[in-house]
Amino acid sequence: ETGVTQSPTHLIKTRGQQVTLRCSSQSGHNTVSWYQQALGQGPQFIFQYYREEENGRGNFPPRFSGLQFPNYSSELNVNALELDDSALYLCASRPGGRQLNTEAFFGQGTRLTVV
Amino acid sequence: GDSVTQMEGPVTLSEEAFLTINCTYTATGYPSLFWYVQYPGEGLQLLLKATKADDKGSNKGFEATYRKETTSFHLEKGSVQVSDSAVYFCALTRNQAGTALIFGKGTTLSVSS
Repeated sequence: ETGVTQSPTHLIKTRGQQVTLRCSSQSGHNTVSWYQQALGQGPQFIFQYYREEENGRGNFPPRFSGLQFPNYSSELNVNALELDDSALYLCASRPGGRQLNTEAFFGQGTRLTVV
Repeated sequence: GDSVTQMEGPVTLSEEAFLTINCTYTATGYPSLFWYVQYPGEGLQLLLKATKADDKGSNKGFEATYRKETTSFHLEKGSVQVSDSAVYFCALTRNQAGTALIFGKGTTLSVSS
């Protein structure tokens, strides 16, 4: 059973550019969530996808968008990058449906640096 | 809104010392509570969880009890090891579709031999 994998592991972008981060969910998991973890802080919820539909969103602007594919993998897109977007981006997957408090399995994250 | 407050770190202990990391929460209803651990350069791993009042979660010698009357979920371990050095996050989730984890800011634990 493969775990949650994210790519790339590190990325450097220039302010104003766009970036796409990718996540492969754990086998059998149809719910994927994305989190932003600034240095020295706890992860902050960006949004969640369940069966290809966004079903929850945190307090992030619309330039943070995402997709979930039929195989339940997911992308996080960030447009018009700002310096404050520099952070570790974490993807988590879990079984969805009626099981609402099941364990979320996290990937190792993508470290994004905006210069 | 919902929130989690953890004790400020870093916490520095000698091997075999007793560990307590305080966590309190604010939430409507009956959230589920979690402790996650993050080792250097890695993602988060679930350490333990509790889904209702008075439940005790335990794993790898760590324990935490869901106290609704004090809205707390303090993490304890009787004898820490150097390998326990990591960042510990307390988190909650409301048991509703579309909600996700709300984390505290994390507490860094450093254990020396």
